[in-house]
Amino acid sequence: DAKTTQPTSMDCAEGRAANLPCNHSTISGNEYVYWYRQIHSQGPQYIIHGLKNNETNEMASLIITEDRKSSTLILPHATLRDTAVYYCIVRVGNTGTASKLTFGTGTRLQVTL
Amino acid sequence: DTGVSQDPRHKITKRGQNVTFRCDPISEHNRLYWYRQTLGQGPEFLTYFQNEAQLEKSRLLSDRFSAERPKGSFSTLEIQRTEQGDSAMYLCASSLGQGASAGANVLTFGAGSRLTVL
Repeated sequence: DAKTTQPTSMDCAEGRAANLPCNHSTISGNEYVYWYRQIHSQGPQYIIHGLKNNETNEMASLIITEDRKSSTLILPHATLRDTAVYYCIVRVGNTGTASKLTFGTGTRLQVTL
Repeated sequence: DTGVSQDPRHKITKRGQNVTFRCDPISEHNRLYWYRQTLGQGPEFLTYFQNEAQLEKSRLLSDRFSAERPKGSFSTLEIQRTEQGDSAMYLCASSLGQGASAGANVLTFGAGSRLTVL
């Protein structure tokens, strides 16, 4: 799996958009970008994934650059409940074997009043 | 469906004791995973079941660790002769295997079982 690089921490004011970057310059053509988050004392929670097109769901938007070497997770209107560690993971679509997700250390997002 | 359930949520034990954790996955999910997370780090893969078969184990899973998933339903993770280095959060996750697809990497995690070895 391609290695990802994320900032250690970020702050965001409540109500503003939170833009979380991820670099994955060695991504292969068949690898997807996945985002999970982990709120304190809970297990990781899936947010969104994409291959090359931008994706949006009820939780967030995922913007992937044209060369696919980086992506940005956007939380359009951050709330205090969005305070969490956000993990960017790159992995091939499952081939029938274990989904061994490599979480890294993620970005700690602090949403403040 | 209440999601992935793990029990107990917290366990404090003395070094050398055995502990067992239980995971109840989402009922229609055929794949089950155990991950371990230490303080300040992201979760790390331990082992994987497809139905009742344990198909893959990480090198992190020493021979003091054993996992089972009888009848392809709930799973247990047992740690024998616990050591202080075993102190961690043990996370269970499940997913619906869909063959070769991006969606198969969408895992639903439980809240975890936190182990403290004194």
